[in-house]
Amino acid sequence: GQNIDQPTEMTATEGAIVQINCTYQTSGFNGLFWYQQHAGEAPTFLSYNVLDGLEEKGRFSSFLSRSKGYSYLLLKELQMKDSASYLCAPLDGSYQLTFGKGTKLSVIP
Amino acid sequence: GAVVSQHPSWVICKSGTSVKIECRSLDFQATTMFWYRQFPKQSLMLMATSNEGSKATYEQGVEKDKFLINHASLTLSTLTVTSAHPEDSSFYICSARSAREASTQYFGPGTRLTVL
Repeated sequence: GQNIDQPTEMTATEGAIVQINCTYQTSGFNGLFWYQQHAGEAPTFLSYNVLDGLEEKGRFSSFLSRSKGYSYLLLKELQMKDSASYLCAPLDGSYQLTFGKGTKLSVIP
Repeated sequence: GAVVSQHPSWVICKSGTSVKIECRSLDFQATTMFWYRQFPKQSLMLMATSNEGSKATYEQGVEKDKFLINHASLTLSTLTVTSAHPEDSSFYICSARSAREASTQYFGPGTRLTVL
C-alpha cells in the first residue's frame, strides 16, 4: 500500500514563509500533487510535479525529489486566507491518487 | 479548467433510507470517475473507481452492495448509499479523469451527507 507522511499541524505568521514537507512511498510513480482544502470544501489543485526540482507558481512553489521520495510545498507572503489543510497526494504506477492526512496550516496575524 | 459538478450539495436523510449522489463532468468526457469519502479531520479515502460502461472497482473495506456506483455515460456517475446509517454520515467527493489526461483528476465540490 501507499505510505504518506506530512506534519499534522503548522502555525505561521501573516507575511512569513512556510514549508510543508511530505515523504511518500508508492508502487510506481507518476507524479505528485499538492491540494489545498478549506474546511467543508473539496480540495483544489495547487501544483503537480513529475520531474525533480522546483516548480514556482506565484506565491506557491513545490519541490520534488523522486529518489528521496520527498516533496515540499512552499508558501510565501502568507495571507490569512491561506489558513487551510494542505494535502500531499502522490500518483502511483496505476495512476491512482492517494491522499496524505493533510497538514492544517493556521496563519496568525 | 475542467468542471465537475455534484448534486446535491448536502442531504439529510433518515436512517434506513437510500440516497443518490450524482457526479457530472460538464465540459469533458470522463472515462474514469472516482468516489472518495472524508470523515471529519481525516484525509480523503478512495472508495471506488468506475470506468464508463463497466463495473466499479471497490477499495478494500468498502461494501459494494451498500455503495452502489453506476457510470452509465461519459459525463455521469452516481453513488447510491443504500440503507444509510448514522455512521455513513460523511463528506462524499467525486473526481473525474479524461482519457487524454491520465495524470489529472478534477474534483467535484462534494456532498455532505447527514443520516439521522
